[in-house]
Order: sequence, then C-alpha cells, then structure tokens
Amino acid sequence: KNEVEQSPQNLTAQEGEFITINCSYSVGISALHWLQQHPGGGIVSLFMLSSGKKKHGRLIATINIQEKHSSLHITASHPRDSAVYICAVNSGGSNYKLTFGKGTLLTVNP
Amino acid sequence: NAGVTQTPKFRVLKTGQSMTLLCAQDMNHEYMYWYRQDPGMGLRLIHYSVGEGTTAKGEVPDGYNVSRLKKQNFLLGLESAAPSQTSVYFCASSFGSNRGVGYTFGSGTRLTVV
Repeated sequence: KNEVEQSPQNLTAQEGEFITINCSYSVGISALHWLQQHPGGGIVSLFMLSSGKKKHGRLIATINIQEKHSSLHITASHPRDSAVYICAVNSGGSNYKLTFGKGTLLTVNP
Repeated sequence: NAGVTQTPKFRVLKTGQSMTLLCAQDMNHEYMYWYRQDPGMGLRLIHYSVGEGTTAKGEVPDGYNVSRLKKQNFLLGLESAAPSQTSVYFCASSFGSNRGVGYTFGSGTRLTVV
C-alpha cells in the first residue's frame, strides 16, 4: 500500500465547477505539499502546509493532521486548471525527502 | 527569474551510451534531489544531496551516479544507458532546515533510450 493515496485518479469537470481532490497518508509527517504539473510540463509547488488551511487565488488547501488527510479545492474552475495535481509528504528527518502520490488528472472542459 | 535549471530538456541515447544531466539552482538551497517520473507511478527519488560534496542513494539509485562538487550544481550520470532508464527526470532543491518553504523543481529532462 502506498504511503500517500490520492483520489480520484481522474476527474473531469465543467468550467465553473468546484473541484475537490483528496490525499490520505499513513505516516507521521512534518509537512504536506500540493504540486501541479501541466501536460508535458514541469512541476510547480502550489502549497506547503503542516496544519490548518492555506489559500492562493482560487486554490485552497486544507489538512487534518489527526485524520491524516488533506484536500485541494479549486473554486470556479477554468480550462487552464487542467493538469495533474500531486500530493507529497515530508516525513521529516535530516534529509527532507518527499514521498509522492500518483497524482490526480484534472480535465476542465469549457 | 531562474530557480532550478535542467539541461538538456530532451535527449535520445542508444543503449550503452553515457550522458550527464545537469541541474543548477541559484537560490542557495542546501538540498538537491534527482527524481524520475514514469507513467502510472509517482515520482521516485534516485539520489539526493544534503550539501556540497555529499550525496546519498534514494529509492532507485541503480544505474545512476551523482556528484555535487559545487553547492549550486547537482549532476546525474548514466554510465551505460538501458531502455529501462527511459523516463522524465526532474531535479529539485530545497532549504535544509524547516524554514516553511517548499521545494523548487526544474522543468524536466525527457530521456529516451533506444
């Protein structure tokens, strides 16, 4: 079983819809990251969080440490949001390596 | 506005050939990483470095070597390329302490071994 599980694997939405992507993890962590990767593109860090909630524009990330769960929400989705969203956790230690989920492919249709 | 720069962006190798991928960062990050990304799998750590002159093995180090002679550069070498090393390679960097900052990734190198 992967230490980091994401759901759904694929998500198709209509422009304007509210999107939620979930991430569950099984290890103790010091931080959780949400990353974005456009098709054929590089990886961009969206959020790093260890508690509570963060917001950047139309994106909101929340984390519940007790339940070992995080969500990424996109409000008023747009076709340019189409990408793979990757959850990754940092389980601490001296080297700060990341453990990645397999990603959620989001397609937003106009 | 550089961040993490990877070269080359694309490369086709024949089985048995060697090559070096270069990663350069200008953010004074202590830690640097090499990952590979394959379809249906999450990113997997190949090697990492916690500072100039240091390297360590990650999850999938076989067939690769690395060097960190300068703090800003992290090189990934393939001595004898194999088709199983066809992948997209990403370099990343981060601060070494928990300063509340995340990781910065390069734009990737798409490598095909034929």
